[in-house]
Amino acid sequence: SAVISQKPSRDICQRGTSLTIQCQVDSQVTMMFWYRQQPGQSLTLIATANQGSEATYESGFVIDKFPISRPNLTFSTLTVSNMSPEDSSIYLCSVRTDYNYGYTFGSGTRLTVV
Amino acid sequence: AQSVSQHNHHVILSEAASLELGCNYSYGGTVNLFWYVQYPGQHLQLLLKYFSGDPLVKGIKGFEAEFIKSKFSFNLRKPSVQWSDTAEYFCAVIPMDSSYKLIFGSGTRLLVRP
Repeated sequence: SAVISQKPSRDICQRGTSLTIQCQVDSQVTMMFWYRQQPGQSLTLIATANQGSEATYESGFVIDKFPISRPNLTFSTLTVSNMSPEDSSIYLCSVRTDYNYGYTFGSGTRLTVV
Repeated sequence: AQSVSQHNHHVILSEAASLELGCNYSYGGTVNLFWYVQYPGQHLQLLLKYFSGDPLVKGIKGFEAEFIKSKFSFNLRKPSVQWSDTAEYFCAVIPMDSSYKLIFGSGTRLLVRP
């Protein structure tokens, strides 16, 4: 299966600032996803990162708050913009690695907004 | 609303005890079902998956799960747990009308005491 490198692994940020999270995959993948895991809660899908076109966002998530780039088939970034303490979460990158719906996850970015 | 429910948020067992973690989903159509595990400080890893066929699915590390369509359930079992099974376990579903989106339950934290 694919190996995902996600950076940074953790960060503490001031409210009102932005953080960009990087996701690098060791092979070309068609489908990349960004998830959020708030404290004590489930993983929630933020968006599907599409190569060559805008990301597809889930209900409750908007591009202005979570802009996503996908310049090629091995890399994506998620930016958390104008952060508030409510954005404190773990953010995970995921890729679909095979036809039988195998999904691989990055190690996550633990974000704390103060 | 459509969802994935894990009823046990925290489970504490002694080594050699049997494990069963509940998972129910509310999607009415065809689904693919998964159990993921996250060991402390590590990535999410796939334990097992069900697409079709035999409803009793065997995964890694001695885990198995049974799909009961009439109950919309996909419970995870292990006959005898080990201390190394201490982790968080997530049930996940792909509703086949969802464009490959993996929807997660809230997770169950398992602590196995030596």
